[in-house]
Amino acid sequence: DAKTTQPTSMDCAEGRAANLPCNHSTISGNEYVYWYRQIHSQGPQYIIHGLKNNETNEMASLIITEDRKSSTLILPHATLRDTAVYYCIVRVAYSGNTPLVFGKGTRLSVIA
Amino acid sequence: EPEVTQTPSHQVTQMGQEVILRCVPISNHLYFYWYRQILGQKVEFLVSFYNNEISEKSEIFDDQFSVERPDGSNFTLKIRSTKLEDSAMYFCASSGGPALSSGNTIYFGEGSWLTVV
Repeated sequence: DAKTTQPTSMDCAEGRAANLPCNHSTISGNEYVYWYRQIHSQGPQYIIHGLKNNETNEMASLIITEDRKSSTLILPHATLRDTAVYYCIVRVAYSGNTPLVFGKGTRLSVIA
Repeated sequence: EPEVTQTPSHQVTQMGQEVILRCVPISNHLYFYWYRQILGQKVEFLVSFYNNEISEKSEIFDDQFSVERPDGSNFTLKIRSTKLEDSAMYFCASSGGPALSSGNTIYFGEGSWLTVV
């Protein structure tokens, strides 16, 4: 079973920042937080991951609380193409081929 | 940008027939996976594969399923005798391992949609 809790759905106005929360209160010290998204039954798309420091790439920023029990994915300027289901997943770091375990994710709707 | 490619994109098969879904993982990746997603449900892990053998498999991956890396580039999922409940999107994925800059990040293909009638 997924070790994370996410809201079922969220709305965001186009051009505004989308902040997607995730709780992972039982995360272990050797587990990363990964974010993926799935646009309309396409393959899950990797967004970003982090261990304890905040991370930023061309797609998003990841803010992880100091106690590592929760995190927030930030899409700085959401567009209609960001409408998707977003998955927050914890996974052991550098463990070879430990699979990702998907939950139900958050359905983000970006509204014009 | 390297990507995982899957064929066919859509296959319709009769119940009881054998199906082979094909995948070409990212070229320097070492770990390979199959997932499935029944319409409207979660993405579910089926199997992982490393060094020419299964590393881990879920309860879904029963004797009807098998995986193979027949050559240096392809990774296949075979369903021996398809059932109606096998209708789903099947995703192949790969990851490079800790020696690569991408680490163990798993990258997915676009999926093969299997319809069993």
